[in-house]
Amino acid sequence: GQNIDQPTEMTATEGAIVQINCTYQTSGFNGLFWYQQHAGEAPTFLSYNVLDGLEEKGRFSSFLSRSKGYSYLLLKELQMKDSASYLCAVRDNTNAGKSTFGDGTTLTVKP
Amino acid sequence: DADVTQTPRNRITKTGKRIMLECSQTKGHDRMYWYRQDPGLGLRLIYYSFDVKDINKGEISDGYSVSRQAQAKFSLSLESAIPNQTALYFCATSDFRVETQYFGPGTRLLVL
Repeated sequence: GQNIDQPTEMTATEGAIVQINCTYQTSGFNGLFWYQQHAGEAPTFLSYNVLDGLEEKGRFSSFLSRSKGYSYLLLKELQMKDSASYLCAVRDNTNAGKSTFGDGTTLTVKP
Repeated sequence: DADVTQTPRNRITKTGKRIMLECSQTKGHDRMYWYRQDPGLGLRLIYYSFDVKDINKGEISDGYSVSRQAQAKFSLSLESAIPNQTALYFCATSDFRVETQYFGPGTRLLVL
């Protein structure tokens, strides 16, 4: 089985940088995903890490350390539209190769 | 056109009624999923299918059933709806090689 932990809520200021952490425990790790979900809408894919290190995509970056069971999503130059829930999901080969989602972190960006 | 579609987008029904939610995809993916999401909570997996003849229970399958009519279609049925099945339901698809999931717009279900 898997255990995925993320903070429930975070608040940050427009223009700032915020880091959302995700820790997981799994026996057959095969990739970690970050999704963004605006209230009442569908989740949309943000990033994918399968090897250790940092993946950068514009204002968003995602980091993975497999040995520590740890990932973070870094959002730079925050905008009001970044207010959303951010879901961490872990793919596990012992779980039929499918992903399990964390409960998400609700980020509120304030002016 | 959207790659993953769900019908209906909103549904109000009464306790005891049988209803069906439908999902179609044009992404050519083999894997399809049904999730429910309750306010302030994460996604919980109801059922998933890795191929047309493959159906698997998720963590909360009681009270639900599914049908994979074709690679592109995956339907979720509530046999006898009850109020605590009021939720937002999402269909998703993925390719087995990477497992990035693509979600439909969701169906908002209210059971009275």
